[in-house]
Amino acid sequence: EADIYQTPRYLVIGTGKKITLECSQTMGHDKMYWYQQDPGMELHLIHYSYGVNSTEKGDLSSESTVSRIRTEHFPLTLESARPSHTSQYLCASSGGDPYGYTFGSGTRLTVV
Amino acid sequence: DQQVKQNSPSLSVQEGRISILNCDYTNSMFDYFLWYKKYPAEGPTFLISISSIKDKNEDGRFTVFLNKSAKHLSLHIVPSQPGDSAVYFCAAIKGGSYIPTFGRGTSLIVHP
Repeated sequence: EADIYQTPRYLVIGTGKKITLECSQTMGHDKMYWYQQDPGMELHLIHYSYGVNSTEKGDLSSESTVSRIRTEHFPLTLESARPSHTSQYLCASSGGDPYGYTFGSGTRLTVV
Repeated sequence: DQQVKQNSPSLSVQEGRISILNCDYTNSMFDYFLWYKKYPAEGPTFLISISSIKDKNEDGRFTVFLNKSAKHLSLHIVPSQPGDSAVYFCAAIKGGSYIPTFGRGTSLIVHP
C-alpha cells in the first residue's frame, strides 16, 4: 500500500497549458522532494521542502514552481507547458532517515 | 559533472547466476550509499544501503560491497531471478545532507 500518492499517473497536454502535478503523503514526513527523470539519465532534484512554507530550488533549473501549505501536500505547477517539459516527475518524502526516503509512482508528462 | 557514475547502462544475466552492478563516485564527502530498484512507470524503491564505516552489508539475496579507497561500490544479487529485471540506481549522500545524488542507473535483465 503506497504511503505517497501522485496524480495523475499519465498526462498528455498541449503546449501553453497550465498544469499541476499532485503529491500527497500520509507518513507525516517533514521533508518532500520533486525529481525529474528521463530514461537512461539520473534523477535530477528540481525542488525540495523541509517543512511547511519552506521551499527551495534543486540542482536542476526548472520552470516549475511548488508550494507547501500543508505537511502532507507538495504540488508542482507548470504555468505554461512546453515540449521540453516532457519527462517523468517523481515525488519523494523522508523523515530524515535515508531508509525512509520514499518515492511515489511518478507522473509521466507528455507535452505536445 | 557526474559525482555518481554507473558506467554500464545495461546488464544481461541468466536466471540463477550472479548479477553484479557497479557504481563509482568522485566526492570523498559521501558517507552513505544506497541502491534503489525501479520498474518502468513506477517510482524507485529502496533496496539496500551501506555506511562508509562498513565494507559490506547483506540482506537476503542482495549484498553491497564498498571499497572506499577506490571510491567504488557494487551490488551483488545471488541468485538472480526474472523478477529482478529492473533499473538499479546507485545513490550517495554527503554527511549532514538529506538529499542523495543519483547515478544514471543500470538496466538489469534476468533471462529465464
